[in-house]
Amino acid sequence: NAGVTQTPKFQVLKTGQSMTLQCAQDMNHNSMYWYRQDPGMGLRLIYYSASEGTTDKGEVPNGYNVSRLNKREFSLRLESAAPSQTSVYFCASSEGQNQETQYFGPGTRLLVL
Amino acid sequence: GENVEQHPSTLSVQEGDSAVIKCTYSDSASNYFPWYKQELGKRPQLIIDIRSNVGEKKDQRIAVTLNKTAKHFSLHITETQPEDSAVYFCAATLYNNNDMRFGAGTRLTVKP
Repeated sequence: NAGVTQTPKFQVLKTGQSMTLQCAQDMNHNSMYWYRQDPGMGLRLIYYSASEGTTDKGEVPNGYNVSRLNKREFSLRLESAAPSQTSVYFCASSEGQNQETQYFGPGTRLLVL
Repeated sequence: GENVEQHPSTLSVQEGDSAVIKCTYSDSASNYFPWYKQELGKRPQLIIDIRSNVGEKKDQRIAVTLNKTAKHFSLHITETQPEDSAVYFCAATLYNNNDMRFGAGTRLTVKP
């Protein structure tokens, strides 16, 4: 099992450009999450999908959209990138959403110039 | 919403010594407290967690204690080894993973 995978690993964007971060899991998990990690601020939840077909906002959703394409895949889209979105983005999954272990992907490092 | 504070932000210990990282939370109703370890350039991984019906939990060299009255919980690592060097994050949540709040992290360095 590959666990949780993310693409790309690293990306440089110019302000105003758009891009989609891809995430996939092969653990048959129901719940998936997108976090951003900034220095000195821990992990902050952007969006989550409690189960296939549902998505909802987390703590910092502004400037992002998500799609739960199927049970395996959960993508994060930046429609018009801003320098404030420079961060490391982690996707995670868990079997359910009730206080269960979250398994993280390797992360995507995004730089917006 | 829940607010989690974590101290210290950096911690340096000699190999073999113990390390303690402390977190406080604001919502007295929070009832699940996981700890994640993140090595440099790697993904966060769960190392131990505790629920509010338990005061202490151990797993080999790692233990977590919870004081619900004071609203704080701590990670204890005994007999530290260089491979324990990493950033450790605490977190707290009331109902589910969707409202989990993380502390800012503690960078632990174990000197050989």
